[in-house]
Amino acid sequence: SQKIEQNSEALNIQEGKTATLTCNYTNYSPAYLQWYRQDPGRGPVFLLLIRENEKEKRKERLKVTFDTTLKQSLFHITASQPADSATYLCANQAGTALIFGKGTTLSVSS
Amino acid sequence: EAGVAQSPRYKIIEKRQSVAFWCNPISGHATLYWYQQILGQGPKLLIQFQNNGVVDDSQLPKDRFSAERLKGVDSTLKIQPAKLEDSAVYLCASSSRDSAGGTEAFFGQGTRLTVV
Repeated sequence: SQKIEQNSEALNIQEGKTATLTCNYTNYSPAYLQWYRQDPGRGPVFLLLIRENEKEKRKERLKVTFDTTLKQSLFHITASQPADSATYLCANQAGTALIFGKGTTLSVSS
Repeated sequence: EAGVAQSPRYKIIEKRQSVAFWCNPISGHATLYWYQQILGQGPKLLIQFQNNGVVDDSQLPKDRFSAERLKGVDSTLKIQPAKLEDSAVYLCASSSRDSAGGTEAFFGQGTRLTVV
């Protein structure tokens, strides 16, 4: 069955550093991978989508890469700020279904 | 544009009781999802509708959960009877397919269900 995994449950970094979150998939090749941000008590909010034929996508301080050889997507937040503290979810899009990983909780300390 | 609306925001029920959640998606969005999110975990897809038809309900515990989307707009998710392990946040999301096929989903705030 299709699996999408976010190996780190928590990541703690200092303000100003780059946060790097990992998403791995097995047993399939997703056409798209999506990244969402979720704050406590709120629903997930879409951040970025990357297609399988794209190596990299950027949006302001966010960057997503898609390596089909390693079956992995990396999500980077540069110049991190305490306001970036949240849970970040990776999602595989298979057809129109969205299948989520468990998420990585990022804490940025000042 | 208005976002995805869900109600109620919170619900506390006793085990074996029934409960219903309501979702109003973004206008014009053909795809509607219901997810269950247990504390500390990612959202788990329960059911996906395309207009008023079911696309995927493979993870829906059909002995106690049911969902419908009348006229391809609003949707309700029902649990009857509830179990303690159903305590979770129930998220509704909607999406429309863009020209390239990527489908961003918009989520409501969720309904936090506590079964005691």
